[in-house]
Amino acid sequence: EPEVTQTPSHQVTQMGQEVILRCVPISNHLYFYWYRQILGQKVEFLVSFYNNEISEKSEIFDDQFSVERPDGSNFTLKIRSTKLEDSAMYFCASSVEGQPQHFGDGTRLSIL
Amino acid sequence: AQSVTQPDIHITVSEGASLELRCNYSYGATPYLFWYVQSPGQGLQLLLKYFSGDTLVQGIKGFEAEFKRSQSSFNLRKPSVHWSDAAEYFCAVGAGTNAGKSTFGDGTTLTVKP
Repeated sequence: EPEVTQTPSHQVTQMGQEVILRCVPISNHLYFYWYRQILGQKVEFLVSFYNNEISEKSEIFDDQFSVERPDGSNFTLKIRSTKLEDSAMYFCASSVEGQPQHFGDGTRLSIL
Repeated sequence: AQSVTQPDIHITVSEGASLELRCNYSYGATPYLFWYVQSPGQGLQLLLKYFSGDTLVQGIKGFEAEFKRSQSSFNLRKPSVHWSDAAEYFCAVGAGTNAGKSTFGDGTTLTVKP
């Protein structure tokens, strides 16, 4: 079965540095999402993306965050200047019309 | 605004016993409902989903869930729990339209006693 793949599985970054999390959605999917899960907490929606633009974003998704689909296969989440509180598991998801979102295995981001 | 409540933070059952995890949702229209399971340090695996039709849905690993509109509930059940079912379980509600976010509950941690 096709999968959403995320790289890297674990990213360690110094506070204040920029980080890019990468995702390869399922190939025929059109809708893309990022979610965040702080350790021990629930999964929180960050942003959805369709037709090369953001469809919806949460209050968490402030100006330090951005998303991009730089080519036909990748979907990235950039955090411009990381803070300690950005440490979390970040999940990418994708979907097609009328079907549930498929989640990747996540990238664990650790900010030092 | 959509929301999900999982009243039980932690549940412990004996192996072989039956299981029911509760989920209540708030949503303005017909919801899309999901149950996911997450093992420590792992991703989210979809157990089952409800979109429409039969209100009793079957999922993977022997799980089922029943949608009850009158109670705004979508409880997850399994008749006989296995030790490998120990994990975190998340109920989620999604918008009926695409590009709609899913809202997750706080999760229920399941411990299975031998």
